[in-house]
Amino acid sequence: GENVEQHPSTLSVQEGDSAVIKCTYSDSASNYFPWYKQELGKGPQLIIDIRSNVGEKKDQRIAVTLNKTAKHFSLHITETQPEDSAVYFCAARDSSYKLIFGSGTRLLVRP
Amino acid sequence: DAMVIQNPRYQVTQFGKPVTLSCSQTLNHNVMYWYQQKSSQAPKLLFHYYDKDFNNEADTPDNFQSRRPNTSFCFLDIRSPGLGDAAMYLCATSREGPQPQHFGDGTRLSIL
Repeated sequence: GENVEQHPSTLSVQEGDSAVIKCTYSDSASNYFPWYKQELGKGPQLIIDIRSNVGEKKDQRIAVTLNKTAKHFSLHITETQPEDSAVYFCAARDSSYKLIFGSGTRLLVRP
Repeated sequence: DAMVIQNPRYQVTQFGKPVTLSCSQTLNHNVMYWYQQKSSQAPKLLFHYYDKDFNNEADTPDNFQSRRPNTSFCFLDIRSPGLGDAAMYLCATSREGPQPQHFGDGTRLSIL
C-alpha cells in the first residue's frame, strides 16, 4: 500500500522567511495530494492541493510542487507570519480511496 | 460557517461505558469518514461511508461501530471504551473521487 514520508518533523523560521516541507510517496498510482494545516484543538484545514496532471500550484503565499517521476511533493510558504505556526500534514490519495497522511511537521514562526 | 459539525467538542466517559459521538454536514457530500488522532500523530482512518455503504478498515477494533441514518448525519459508537481509546475523533466529508476532504474540529474523548 501507499506510504508517505514527511520531513522535517519540526521547522522553526524567522517571520518573513520562507518555509519548505517535503513529502515522498510510494504508490505511483496516487493521483491527488492535499496539504492540511492543523491548529491546536482544531481539525485539519485544507490549505492547498494538487492533482497528478499538474506540476505546480500557487495560492497567494502558498505553493505546492509535484514531481511524479521522483514521487515527491513539497509545500512552500513565503513571507511567513506568526499565524502560520501550526502542524502541517501532507497526504496522498492512493489507488483505492484513502488519504494516506505524512507524520506531520510542526512549524514555528518566530516574531 | 461550519460545514462539518462535531458534537460534543469534549466528551468524558468511564472505562467500559458506551459513548456516541456525532457528526453532521451541510455540504451534501456522499462520503463521510471517521478518523482517530492521537497526540502528535497523523489522523488514522477508522471507516468511511460511501453513501450508505459502510467500509471498515482492517485494523479498526470491533469496539468501534458507526451509523449513518441519512446523508447529513453520521455517528461513531464506542461500545466499551478502554484507556487506549482516549484520542481526538475527527469526522470528514468529501465528494467521490480525488476530491478534498473537509474536516470537523473533532471531539476530544477522555476515559476515566
